Amino acid sequence: AQKITQTQPGMFVQEKEAVTLDCTYDTSDPSYGLFWYKQPSSGEMIFLIYQGSYDQQNATEGRYSLNFQKARKSANLVISASQLGDSAMYFCAMREGEWGNKLVFGAGTILRVKS
Amino acid sequence: GAVVSQHPSRVICKSGTSVKIECRSLDFQATTMFWYRQFPKKSLMLMATSNEGSKATYEQGVEKDKFLINHASLTLSTLTVTSAHPEDSSFYICSAGPGQRSSPLHFGNGTRLTVT
Repeated sequence: AQKITQTQPGMFVQEKEAVTLDCTYDTSDPSYGLFWYKQPSSGEMIFLIYQGSYDQQNATEGRYSLNFQKARKSANLVISASQLGDSAMYFCAMREGEWGNKLVFGAGTILRVKS
Repeated sequence: GAVVSQHPSRVICKSGTSVKIECRSLDFQATTMFWYRQFPKKSLMLMATSNEGSKATYEQGVEKDKFLINHASLTLSTLTVTSAHPEDSSFYICSAGPGQRSSPLHFGNGTRLTVT
């Protein structure tokens, strides 16, 4: 069964506008972590933001924020004030357990920022 | 911040030869490292977990005799693609983390393998 689901294969956003990338997850472990990574065409994986299952507040990192809805098992990434350099593939990932390092990735969403 | 270095970034080899890819954690010790494979415009698929001082743990469907993993020290894991074939051509990427709860996994820059 899919543990991480990203339903948007591709998204377009106008420069300077905000965009939301969807991610839902499935786990029975009460302790887990959710991550978003950006992968530009060069292939490197860039860590963007982290949300722990016990964190009370939504995570924010600069222009990135994570809309964490635990009951719905969703962890959507919001990018504010989009820039041309935001064009890339975005992956949502989950780590199960308190200390485990293994990540399971979603299928990814290709984001294109239009000028 | 934590950095993971992967080498080489690109390699072209002939069918039947073996290729070794190195993954190093530069400023932290990693008892486990992870090897992923990625096809174009697809997600990362975990191939195996590299365990320092012991055997690697392979995911279902991954041939352990084809993809040899060695984790001889706390900062180095290697993936050797043995008797490579064109279908082994892919993007291979390693990752490791300091092991703290909220710490992200850090990734190497990946290796693009082309088997001719």
